[in-house]
Amino acid sequence: EIVLSQSPGTLSLSPGERATLSCRASQSVSSNSLAWYQQKPGQAPRLIIYDASNVATGSPERFSGSGSGTDFTLTISRLEPEDFAVYYCQQYSRSPLTFGGGTRVEIK
Amino acid sequence: EVQLVESGGGLAQPGGPLRLSCATSGFPFTSYVINWVRQAPGTGLEWVSAISGSGGSTYYANSVKGRFTISRDISKNTVFLQMSSLRDDDTAVYYCATSSRTFWYFDFWGRGTLVTVSS
Repeated sequence: EIVLSQSPGTLSLSPGERATLSCRASQSVSSNSLAWYQQKPGQAPRLIIYDASNVATGSPERFSGSGSGTDFTLTISRLEPEDFAVYYCQQYSRSPLTFGGGTRVEIK
Repeated sequence: EVQLVESGGGLAQPGGPLRLSCATSGFPFTSYVINWVRQAPGTGLEWVSAISGSGGSTYYANSVKGRFTISRDISKNTVFLQMSSLRDDDTAVYYCATSSRTFWYFDFWGRGTLVTVSS
């Protein structure tokens, strides 16, 4: 199975700052089949990026995704108070579907 | 509006059964794959199972294969997850989530139902 490693584990930033989250795959993810989700405490995950770089409907334009092969990045251009949450990457290149361990973005 | 509502969670005995339901609305039920994804307390996400739009194809993670069975009732727009031989490490919040094809990303999620396996 494809193992996804996310870094850093925790990112401490202030509102207005730029956040850069990394997701590294143990094998190449074909066709950029990678998604990002945001999860807030007590809530279900919410899709924010699919196909590595497409912003999901309803997600703000300050979210962007990039990368290919084994290295992917989620960028939040300017953090808003509602962006502080845990972010997970997920690959759908190969069965079984797998998720990364998550990056917590916390208020500094 | 797409809605997914899970139910059926609760306390289960190790080795025992439990059946979860996912009632759906707001989208063409037979056009979407329905998945179950779980999250153990304080940890990450694990895909568990999926069923095709027609219900003719089912898929399972190795960790639950042979113990869990997914099914769907088209007349009720509902998907079920029958769990048996439950183990302590099945303790988790179970979410149902849609995807437009099998082995894909998850568009919409329910709020989840908590399953606790303990004696």
